Amino acid sequence: GESVGLHLPTLSVQEGDNSIINCAYSNSASDYFIWYKQESGKGPQFIIDIRSNMDKRQGQRVTVLLNKTVKHLSLQIAATQPGDSAVYFCAENANYGGSQGNLIFGKGTKLSVKP
Amino acid sequence: GAGVSQTPSNKVTEKGKYVELRCDPISGHTALYWYRQSLGQGPEFLIYFQGTGAADDSGLPNDRFFAVRPEGSVSTLKIQRTERGDSAVYLCASSRGRHTGELFFGEGSRLTVL
Repeated sequence: GESVGLHLPTLSVQEGDNSIINCAYSNSASDYFIWYKQESGKGPQFIIDIRSNMDKRQGQRVTVLLNKTVKHLSLQIAATQPGDSAVYFCAENANYGGSQGNLIFGKGTKLSVKP
Repeated sequence: GAGVSQTPSNKVTEKGKYVELRCDPISGHTALYWYRQSLGQGPEFLIYFQGTGAADDSGLPNDRFFAVRPEGSVSTLKIQRTERGDSAVYLCASSRGRHTGELFFGEGSRLTVL
């Protein structure tokens, strides 16, 4: 079936370095993508979103890149901090006419930040 | 409270029993969602409410699962005749409306079916 997936299940980076978390999606009809962060024992927390009419969007210390040609999404975190350690999920929506909160989540990438 | 509140935080039950999980969304949020998350997996959509009505219940796995939101605020997810495969964390989220994927999640209710 069509679903969002991830290239790497775990990622370890040094504090202060930049992190790049990748995501592949297979549903070409998806037009809205979101990144969530989930810390242990907590619910997912919204980070940033991007619509298919854009290829880049920046937030505070984060940048999301969308490459529709190869159906690839990435999250870049600048100057990674210990507080960034968490599992990161990409999610997609192709629910035309319905709710954009009806999301298909990938399996997640665990980011570990070494001090 | 300021965030989405879910109760109970943990529920252990026996196979075949009935379970109710409660969600209190952020005040003023019209959209409410239930997701289910199994260990090591991403959340899986179950149902979406806009106001009092279930606008999309396409994610409910079978007719043992049912959810209500009678006054457009608090929601209850009801699971009948629980099975071991129902064990998971049930997450509730709310948002300002259906045109955003910025969901505010609660901490979840962990259900264990023995």
